[in-house]
Amino acid sequence: RKEVEQDPGPFNVPEGATVAFNCTYSNSASQSFFWYRQDCRKEPKLLMSVYSSGNEDGRFTAQLNRASQYISLLIRDSKLSDSATYLCVVLRDDKIIFGKGTRLHILP
Amino acid sequence: EPEVTQTPSHQVTQMGQEVILRCVPISNHLYFYWYRQILGQKVEFLVSFYNNEISEKSEIFDDQFSVERPDGSNFTLKIRSTKLEDSAMYFCASSDPFRQDALTHTEAFFGQGTRLTVV
Repeated sequence: RKEVEQDPGPFNVPEGATVAFNCTYSNSASQSFFWYRQDCRKEPKLLMSVYSSGNEDGRFTAQLNRASQYISLLIRDSKLSDSATYLCVVLRDDKIIFGKGTRLHILP
Repeated sequence: EPEVTQTPSHQVTQMGQEVILRCVPISNHLYFYWYRQILGQKVEFLVSFYNNEISEKSEIFDDQFSVERPDGSNFTLKIRSTKLEDSAMYFCASSDPFRQDALTHTEAFFGQGTRLTVV
């Protein structure tokens, strides 16, 4: 079983829609959690950290459920510029582990 | 805004040759990482480095790979004898050593990558 699992997509959603991504991690010793965004042929860039209490940054909301080992990302009022691959990232010890990513296409 | 810089942006090398990929992490960061991403595939962890030594490495990081922090600013990845399957984008990352509490760690910042093509 992969340590970080995500639905690869693609998710094709119309502009303005709300879209949610899920991620599960298998190692309960995982310490910190992040969502990164990666545009085609570019480096991953931090979108947001994920805190136990859940957190919001503008149109983006992240949730963490440690009991279920589950992380989510919600994007509201999606924009064309949100089209990218969204990477679920887990820190365990000194190792940052990436999921395969979920591709999102926002349709005009 | 401070950033991680990598050079070169693209390196073409012949199979069997040695390559050195260079990175300048963010200056006050103390954790350093190398990742690779084969075209169309996931970002794969290679190695993490802290306090002048490797703290974690993956099964990909075999004897052909080594890392070094030769001075106070550079962090290098050396591949001793490149193979065709080493062709990938290599990303360097760094993070702040400050642990907010026992369960958190600040995020890693990535360089723009070096595209390695082995021919």
